[in-house]
Amino acid sequence: DIQMTQSPSSLSASVGDRVTITCRASQSISSYLNWYQQKPGKAPKLLIYAASSLQSGVPSRFSGSGSGTDFTLTISSLQPEDFATYYCQQSYSTAWTFGQGTKLEIK
Amino acid sequence: EVQLVESGGGLVQPGGSLRLSCAASGFTFSSYWMSWVRQAPGKGLEWVANIKQDGSEKYYVDSVKGRFTISRDNAKNSLYLQMNSLRAEDTAVYYCARDQQLTVTSIDEVYYYYYMDVWGKGTTVTVSS
Repeated sequence: DIQMTQSPSSLSASVGDRVTITCRASQSISSYLNWYQQKPGKAPKLLIYAASSLQSGVPSRFSGSGSGTDFTLTISSLQPEDFATYYCQQSYSTAWTFGQGTKLEIK
Repeated sequence: EVQLVESGGGLVQPGGSLRLSCAASGFTFSSYWMSWVRQAPGKGLEWVANIKQDGSEKYYVDSVKGRFTISRDNAKNSLYLQMNSLRAEDTAVYYCARDQQLTVTSIDEVYYYYYMDVWGKGTTVTVSS
């Protein structure tokens, strides 16, 4: 199976900060990489698909980049509603896998 | 409104069985792959299984192969997960999700990107004696 590793596992930041979360795949997955946001007690929400495409309705402060094994999710200016846990997920293989998550907390 | 509603969760003893259901509405269910994703208490997301539009292809995470079966009834707009030989480590919130497909065509190749764009609220399964 393809292993997905996110870094950092947790992150403290302030409103207005620029934040970057990294996701690394154990083998090349081209651009078959998606990002989700999850708030406590809620279902995940799709943010970015195919590495860099912004899902409809998602604010433009969210962006994704990367290809092959290394990917990033960037939030250009943190808003209060962005404090949540973020997951990357690969759909390159038939057995999809998620990263372990990055918890973004208020500093 | 596009919606997925899971049901069927509950408390079950180790070794027992449970069948989860997911009712879809607001979109053409038969046109989409569908997935089950779970989340153990305090843990991350784990993709469990998915199924093709006509049920002819199914894929599973290794930890549930031979114990769980994904199925669908397009006439009822419903997705199912039959879970047998349940273990304590199967305790989780189970989400159903719609698998969206993006098709990208280049000069000589076609690429299919999949992502889960609609999620239900989840149903809780607890395996305990």
